[in-house]
Amino acid sequence: GAVVSQHPSWVICKSGTSVKIECRSLDFQATTMFWYRQFPKQSLMLMATSNEGSKATYEQGVEKDKFLINHASLTLSTLTVTSAHPEDSSFYICSATDTLGYGYTFGSGTRLTVV
Amino acid sequence: AQSVTQPDIHITVSEGASLELRCNYSYGATPYLFWYVQSPGQGLQLLLKYFSGDTLVQGIKGFEAEFKRSQSSFNLRKPSVHWSDAAEYFCAVGLNTDKLIFGTGTRLQVFP
Repeated sequence: GAVVSQHPSWVICKSGTSVKIECRSLDFQATTMFWYRQFPKQSLMLMATSNEGSKATYEQGVEKDKFLINHASLTLSTLTVTSAHPEDSSFYICSATDTLGYGYTFGSGTRLTVV
Repeated sequence: AQSVTQPDIHITVSEGASLELRCNYSYGATPYLFWYVQSPGQGLQLLLKYFSGDTLVQGIKGFEAEFKRSQSSFNLRKPSVHWSDAAEYFCAVGLNTDKLIFGTGTRLQVFP
C-alpha cells in the first residue's frame, strides 16, 4: 500500500526560529498533498493544499507567509513554520493523494513545541 | 456548506460489547466517505472507505460501516470491542481527490 513518511516526528525550537517539516511519499507519486494542523483533543484542520510544481492554496485564516509550503517534486512536500511562536505549537500532519486508488494516505505527524 | 458531524464526543463501552459511532454529513453530492483511527500522538490510520457500490463496507480490525444515502450517514460499527480499540475516531468526507473534511472526532474508552 501507499506509505507517507513524515519527519521529524517531534521538534522543539526556540521562539523566532524556523522549522521545516518534510512529507515524502515512498512508493507512489503524490499528485496532491495536504497539510493539517491539530490542536490537543481537537479535530484536524486543513491548512493548505499543494500540487507539485504550483503554489499552495491556503485555507482562510492561514498565514501563507508564516507557513511556507513547497511541493517541488511528486514525492516531497515541505512545510516551513517561519519565525515560530509558542502559539504555533501543535501537531502537524500531512496527507497525500495518488492516482493508484489508495485515496488519502497520512503521515505519522510532527509534534512542534515552540519555547 | 460542506460539513461532517460526529454527535458523540466521548463514548465508553465495556470490552466485548458492540459499538456504533455515528457520522452524518452535509454535501452537495455523494462524497467519498472515510473512517480513521488515531492513537495519542500518532498519525491517522484508515479503517475503511466508501467510494461507490455496496453500501456495507468492511474494514480492518473487524470494523464495518454502512452508507445510508437517505440519512446522509456513514456509521461505524464493531460487534465486539477490544481494549486496544480505545482511541480517537474521525469520520471524513471528500470529493474525488479534493481536500478531506473531518468531523470533530469521537473518543472511545474501553473498560475491561
